[in-house]
Amino acid sequence: GENVEQHPSTLSVQEGDSAVIKCTYSDSASNYFPWYKQELGKGPQLIIDIRSNVGEKKDQRIAVTLNKTAKHFSLHITETQPEDSAVYFCAPREDQKVTFGIGTKLQVIP
Amino acid sequence: DTEVTQTPKHLVMGMTNKKSLKCEQHMGHRAMYWYKQKAKKPPELMFVYSYEKLSINESVPSRFSPECPNSSLLNLHLHALQPEDSALYLCASSQLGRQYTDTQYFGPGTRLTVL
Repeated sequence: GENVEQHPSTLSVQEGDSAVIKCTYSDSASNYFPWYKQELGKGPQLIIDIRSNVGEKKDQRIAVTLNKTAKHFSLHITETQPEDSAVYFCAPREDQKVTFGIGTKLQVIP
Repeated sequence: DTEVTQTPKHLVMGMTNKKSLKCEQHMGHRAMYWYKQKAKKPPELMFVYSYEKLSINESVPSRFSPECPNSSLLNLHLHALQPEDSALYLCASSQLGRQYTDTQYFGPGTRLTVL
């Protein structure tokens, strides 16, 4: 099965700074790489995703970069805001099975 | 409408009870999923239904019994659970349009406590 490593497990940043979360995976057949945000008491919500034929994707303050050769992808959040505080999960996809990373608790300090 | 709904929001049950969790989506998605999430842990896949047929069972104990009555509904029947089964149970759905790259949409979950 897929082995997924995500780091850091916790991240504190000052409001307005950037945050970067990294995810490595083991299965070279994985071809879909989403990032989910989970707020307290809620289900995970997709914030951005990338498919294997693309190296980078950006949506306003959020971007994802993919290095298929090295088998890692990263989430970049710029100009962080307090409402970005949540747990973020990477979830590389192998067939219909999704293996979530351990999660990164992001705290944005006002 | 990109909403997946789950009922109930909270459920407390004894080890001898029988209860069911329900999930519904009206996005026309043909794949539905059950996940279990323990506190401060990532979601773990339990079951996947594709076109109303069970396609993946991640070696889940038989005290958990999934059911997909139609393409919009997914149930999880619970019987003789253990206290360690207490967790947040998440339902998700996806389109199954492009193979293996379809986005999953999650519901808010059911918080289950087994006494």
